[in-house]
Amino acid sequence: DTGVSQDPRHKITKRGQNVTFRCDPISEHNRLYWYRQTLGQGPEFLTYFQNEAQLEKSRLLSDRFSAERPKGSFSTLEIQRTEQGDSAMYLCASSPTRDNTDTQYFGPGTRLTVL
Amino acid sequence: AQKITQTQPGMFVQEKEAVTLDCTYDTSDQSYGLFWYKQPSSGEMIFLIYQGSYDEQNATEGRYSLNFQKARKSANLVISASQLGDSAMYFCAMREVGGGADGLTFGKGTHLIIQP
Repeated sequence: DTGVSQDPRHKITKRGQNVTFRCDPISEHNRLYWYRQTLGQGPEFLTYFQNEAQLEKSRLLSDRFSAERPKGSFSTLEIQRTEQGDSAMYLCASSPTRDNTDTQYFGPGTRLTVL
Repeated sequence: AQKITQTQPGMFVQEKEAVTLDCTYDTSDQSYGLFWYKQPSSGEMIFLIYQGSYDEQNATEGRYSLNFQKARKSANLVISASQLGDSAMYFCAMREVGGGADGLTFGKGTHLIIQP
């Protein structure tokens, strides 16, 4: 089985630049989630999709953040006008159609450093 | 108030000993799920074990078991016969089904170091 993949694994950018991350979920998983993890903390939920529909967004997702899942397969997370506070690990997870556990399986993450 | 509390920032354990990692949670929902994940230094979150709020038996997965005490709102992870490869961050997480929120809420984690 192919797990969740994320690209790139690392991104270094200058403050004010835009960045885009990609997530490919496990095939046949129709739910896809984005989380952000800062140093010394657990992941924090950002948003999730069921197929191509974005169903929930955290208040953490400021106007500079946008996520898409246009065909219900891969997803992109874009951060515009990056700030140093955006430096974090961005994790993607996927889960199958709701079952009795709805377990989320995570990708390796994209580590963003904003200089 | 924190929804997931992990009170042990770090633990050192001798190889082959059993380990208990503490987790308490706070929710008013009747239906929820509790998860434990392992995060090695590589960064990937690895699913370990799940416990549903209506499950009457404690969950077990190989060397992992979840000590679920609903009245006390605790969901401790027990690792039997610890191995050097168990050294990692461990996160407890909750999904509240009733509230309609599907994102997981994580604790701050416990850094477990297994010593030879």
